[in-house]
Amino acid sequence: QVQLVQSGAEVKTPGASVKVSCKASGYTVTSYHMHWVRQAPGQGLEWMGIIKGSGGRTVYAQKFQGRVTMTTDTSTNTVYMELSSLRSEDTAVYYCGRELDAAYYFDCWGQGTAVTVSS
Amino acid sequence: QSALTQPASVSGSPGQSITISCTGTSSDVGGYNHVSWYQQYPGKAPKLMIYEVSDRPSGVSNRFSGSKSGNTASLTISGLQAEDEADYYCNSYTRSYIYVFGTGTKVTVL
Repeated sequence: QVQLVQSGAEVKTPGASVKVSCKASGYTVTSYHMHWVRQAPGQGLEWMGIIKGSGGRTVYAQKFQGRVTMTTDTSTNTVYMELSSLRSEDTAVYYCGRELDAAYYFDCWGQGTAVTVSS
Repeated sequence: QSALTQPASVSGSPGQSITISCTGTSSDVGGYNHVSWYQQYPGKAPKLMIYEVSDRPSGVSNRFSGSKSGNTASLTISGLQAEDEADYYCNSYTRSYIYVFGTGTKVTVL
């Protein structure tokens, strides 16, 4: 069955980078887009960006441009999200969610990865 | 891109119907029929409940329905049940592969 399994929790110091993985099973990552969404403690969902399944084109929310990089490793069927220059406000749970091309919704989500930024 | 506006909380008694609004602009909710709704329990990943304003994925109860008028989309839960107590988020496509979520609504079953 279709499943997205994310990497484990991370603790980082301010200024560091974090790379979160999202491994897909039950389908090929190149056949769907992948979105990244985060949720700070007690807050709502925030859309971060998308990496297209075919071709790997990325579009990032303006807030994260320059700090976020989304990539795909087709050999392992895994999508990655790297966030750099971390600050305390980046403490959140990060989710991946897939979208069939031109579907405009996220039909399957990863379980979430908690990232804590603290000195 | 500003978050879509949702009421912070909505409550109802078992069996009642409640409606959650999601207000945006002509650049998002009003400009496209690409509005979706997600249910989220504490500590869990979101779950798709409605897509394309009013379509329901297989397996989602028909007690959940969606609609849109102008710049405001709505999610209605009829026959409210204890298991419906959760957070709900709307989402809209805006332009050029950019999306925006609503502020979220906590549903309480009295």
